[in-house]
Amino acid sequence: RKEVEQDPGPFNVPEGATVAFNCTYSNSASQSFFWYRQDCRKEPKLLMSVYSSGNEDGRFTAQLNRASQYISLLIRDSKLSDSATYLCAVLGIMTTDSWGKLQFGAGTQVVVTP
Amino acid sequence: DADVTQTPRNRITKTGKRIMLECSQTKGHDRMYWYRQDPGLGLRLIYYSFDVKDINKGEISDGYSVSRQAQAKFSLSLESAIPNQTALYFCATSDPRDSDIYNEQFFGPGTRLTVL
Repeated sequence: RKEVEQDPGPFNVPEGATVAFNCTYSNSASQSFFWYRQDCRKEPKLLMSVYSSGNEDGRFTAQLNRASQYISLLIRDSKLSDSATYLCAVLGIMTTDSWGKLQFGAGTQVVVTP
Repeated sequence: DADVTQTPRNRITKTGKRIMLECSQTKGHDRMYWYRQDPGLGLRLIYYSFDVKDINKGEISDGYSVSRQAQAKFSLSLESAIPNQTALYFCATSDPRDSDIYNEQFFGPGTRLTVL
């Protein structure tokens, strides 16, 4: 089983609609969680960190569910420019060996259509 | 100018050739990483370095080696390239002075490597 799993999609979303997708992680001791955005053939860029209480940044909302070991990303009022692959990343156990090392999911593709 | 640069951006080579991918950064970060990305598998860590004197293997280091020539430079070598090393390779950096819990990684533009 992969340590971090995502539905690859694609999620086809009409412009203006809401889309949400999850990322599950296997290590219950995971400390930190992130969503990265990756445009086609480009480098990943941090979209948002995921805090324990959940957080919102404009049209984007991230949630953490530790009991069920998943994080979620919700995009409201989708724009054409939101079309991308969204990678979740999980920081492992807080040992000296694991600091700064992230486990990435394979990504969820979102396609926003006019 | 980009903070994290990679050269070359694209490379086609033949099986058995030695290849070096280079990464440079102007962010002043101590931590540097090499990842490869394959369709359906996501980003996988090859090697990482927390400072100039520190080199560590990631989850898929076999067939690769690295050199941390300076704080700003981290090179990845394929000693004898094979076709299943065809992938998109990313270098990344992070700043240990940031909170370790919310430690952002900054990626270079990637090198697309094809081994024939």
